[in-house]
Amino acid sequence: DIVMTQTPLSSPVTLGQPASISCKSSQSFVHSDGNTYLSWLQLRPGQPPRLLIYRISNRFSGVPDRFSGSGAGTDFTLKISRVEAEDVGVYYCMQASQFPYTFGQGTKLEIK
Amino acid sequence: QVQLQESGPGLVKPSETLSLTCTVSGGSISGHYLSWIRQVPGAGLEWIGYIHYSGGTNYNPSLKSRVTFSVDTSKNEFTLELRSVTAADTAVYYCAREIPAAGHLDSWGQGTLATVSS
Repeated sequence: DIVMTQTPLSSPVTLGQPASISCKSSQSFVHSDGNTYLSWLQLRPGQPPRLLIYRISNRFSGVPDRFSGSGAGTDFTLKISRVEAEDVGVYYCMQASQFPYTFGQGTKLEIK
Repeated sequence: QVQLQESGPGLVKPSETLSLTCTVSGGSISGHYLSWIRQVPGAGLEWIGYIHYSGGTNYNPSLKSRVTFSVDTSKNEFTLELRSVTAADTAVYYCAREIPAAGHLDSWGQGTLATVSS
């Protein structure tokens, strides 16, 4: 299985300041169709998980442009340009290029 | 906009079978995949597997010997059965939709807590 390792596991951030989450995979996971299926999810209490970013850097419908994704190979990053109160939650990276799909351990974003 | 809703018994006894249903509304899931994911309390997310609308399946090897997915297309319902459960199977179970060849899960249910206890 591909192991996804996120850092940090906890990220206290001041409102209005940027935040960055790293996701490193144990191996490259380029699909046979040439795509790297790396996505980012947000989990907030009482709400369904929400897709933020797909295929490394594509923002999903309705996701604010303060969220951005980047990376290649085995290193990927989710950035929030200016953290808002509603961004509090746990963020997961996920790979869906190889079976079984696997997730990072999650990064808890909280406000200082 | 498609909505997914998980439902199930909430409490299951050890060694019994956990059965959960995912009902899809507000849109068609025809041609799509439906994944099941779980989150053990205090831990991360684990992909259990997926079922295609046509019935084809792919299971995580870690659970393959104990899990079965099925689909009732007339009701837009997907079912997960997990046999011989133990306390380690206590988790919030989610269903999520994947569009073929998209490589991501774009719509998720709220999740349902299943507790294994005597």
